Amino acid sequence: DIQMTQSPSSLSASVGDRVTITCRASQSISSYLNWYQQKPGKAPKLLIYAASSLQSGVPSRFSGSGSGTDFTLTISSLQPEDFATYYCQQSYSTLRYTFGQGTKLEIK
Amino acid sequence: EVQLVESGGGLVQPGGSLRLSCAASGFTFSSYAMSWVRQAPGKGLEWVSAISGSGGSTYYADSVKGRFTISRDNSKNTLYLQMNSLRAEDTAVYYCAKETVTTAKSYSDYWGQGTLVTVSS
Repeated sequence: DIQMTQSPSSLSASVGDRVTITCRASQSISSYLNWYQQKPGKAPKLLIYAASSLQSGVPSRFSGSGSGTDFTLTISSLQPEDFATYYCQQSYSTLRYTFGQGTKLEIK
Repeated sequence: EVQLVESGGGLVQPGGSLRLSCAASGFTFSSYAMSWVRQAPGKGLEWVSAISGSGGSTYYADSVKGRFTISRDNSKNTLYLQMNSLRAEDTAVYYCAKETVTTAKSYSDYWGQGTLVTVSS
């Protein structure tokens, strides 16, 4: 099975900061990497698919990059509504997905 | 508008069974694979199972293989998860998700609100 490791597990930042979250796969997954945002008590929301494609309706301050085993999610200027938990997900194994453990983004 | 509405969660004793349903609307249900993803209290997301659009192919996490069965009724636009031999560690919110799968990308673009399953005596 493909293992996904996110870092950091938690992060404190301020409104306006630039933030980067990383995700590493245990084997090459090409660009089959997605990012989700989850707020407390809510379902996950798709932000980025195929490593760098922005889902419709998602603000352009969110961006993704990487391929192979190393990926990043960047928020260029944090807004109050961005404080949430972020998950990466590999989709290289079609319909046998695995998620990273999550990164909780908190207000400093 | 795509809508996914889960139901069927509740309290069940260890060793018991439960069937979850996910009613879909707003898209051509039979054209899309579907998945179940769960989240234990205070924990991260765990992929549980998936099924192709036709229902001909199914996939399971090792943690539920042999105990859970995913199925779908395309005439009713409904996804199911039959859960048998339930354990305390199956306690979680269960989400259904619509999958978009192509040769170049694959992702869960719509999610339901979730249904809580609690396994306890």
